Parts: sequence; structure tokens; C-alpha cells
Amino acid sequence: QKEVEQDPGPLSVPEGAIVSLNCTYSNSAFQYFMWYRQYSRKGPELLMYTYSSGNKEDGRFTAQVDKSSKYISLFIRDSQPSDSATYLCAMNQAGTALIFGKGTTLSVSS
Amino acid sequence: GAGVSQSPSNKVTEKGKDVELRCDPISGHTALYWYRQRLGQGLEFLIYFQGNSAPDKSGLPSDRFSAERTGESVSTLTIQRTQQEDSAVYLCASSPKRASGTDTQYFGPGTRLTVL
Repeated sequence: QKEVEQDPGPLSVPEGAIVSLNCTYSNSAFQYFMWYRQYSRKGPELLMYTYSSGNKEDGRFTAQVDKSSKYISLFIRDSQPSDSATYLCAMNQAGTALIFGKGTTLSVSS
Repeated sequence: GAGVSQSPSNKVTEKGKDVELRCDPISGHTALYWYRQRLGQGLEFLIYFQGNSAPDKSGLPSDRFSAERTGESVSTLTIQRTQQEDSAVYLCASSPKRASGTDTQYFGPGTRLTVL
């Protein structure tokens, strides 16, 4: 079993839809959880960062961490064509390297 | 402030040639990483630097790959005798520190390497 699993998609939604992106993981010691967004032919950029369990909201984006289920989610409300990108989850425990998911490709059509 | 920069942005080379890829991390970031990303694939970890030492080289795919870092600044990834399977985007990331907490990494734009 890989440490971090992420469905590669692709996921296609119409503009305005609510998008849910998810990752599961196997290492219960993970404490720090991140979401990166990668546009085509660009490097990944940090989108959201969460420590331990709970929710974090930033504009149209909400990150959720459920440590009991080893499951993290990123929700995008009122999705826009500019949200079309690949979304990578990443996580680690203190002092160790980030482990990345393989990324989910999202396409939002106008 | 300035982000992570990489050069060149694109490199086309012939099979068997050596290439050098450069990364300038964010000033003050002690940790530096190299990744490889093949078309449509996820990030493949290559090597991690803490300062100018490399405690984790486990991702380097073969002895044709090597990397150096000068102090807490520039890093160079060298690929000798390039092969077509080396064609990929090579991404560099830097992080403020890893020792006590999260390892939030900031990525450069990548170098797109094409081996003909």
C-alpha cells in the first residue's frame, strides 16, 4: 500500500460546481497536510496548509483533515475555469520529508 | 520576495550528452529538494539537501545522476550520458527548515529536459 493515495481523475465539472478532491494515507503519524495546485507547464504552488485534524477555509477553498479515517479533502466552491489544474496533496510528520500524492487533474468548463 | 528560480527553463540535448540544471532557492531556506516529473505523472523525489549536505539521495535513479549544493544557496543537478528516458520536467523546491515541524516546500518553475 502506498503511503498516500490520490485518484488521478480526470475530473470534469461545469463552472459554478462544488468540487471535492481527496487523498487517503496510511501513516497515522502524519501531522501536517498541504494542498498544492499545478497549472500546466508550471511548478506546483502551495494552496492550503493544515496542521492536525479540522477544517481550514480560505476564500472559495476549504481543506478538511480527518485523522481518524486518514482522509483529507479539498473543497472548491463556485468553481471557475481558472481552477483547471492538477491538485496534489502532500503530508508529513515533524522532521520528515513531504510525501506527495500523484495529483488529480481538474477541468472546469465555462 | 523572489521565489525559487531554475535555469534553463528548457533544454534539448542529444542522447549521450551531459546536462547541468541549476536551482536558486529562496534566500534563507536551508532545505532544498530535486524532483522529476514525467509527462502526466506525479512528483518523483530525487535528492534532499540540508545546507550543503545530502542526507537523502535515495531517489537518484542511477549513478549518472548527481547533485551538489554550495552552502545554503545554489544547487546543480547533473545528468551524465543522458538517455531518452531522462526526458522530463525537473523541479526544484526549497523549504525554510524541516527539523522541528512541517516541510512546506516552495517550487520553482522547473526545467523541461528533452533528450533526442
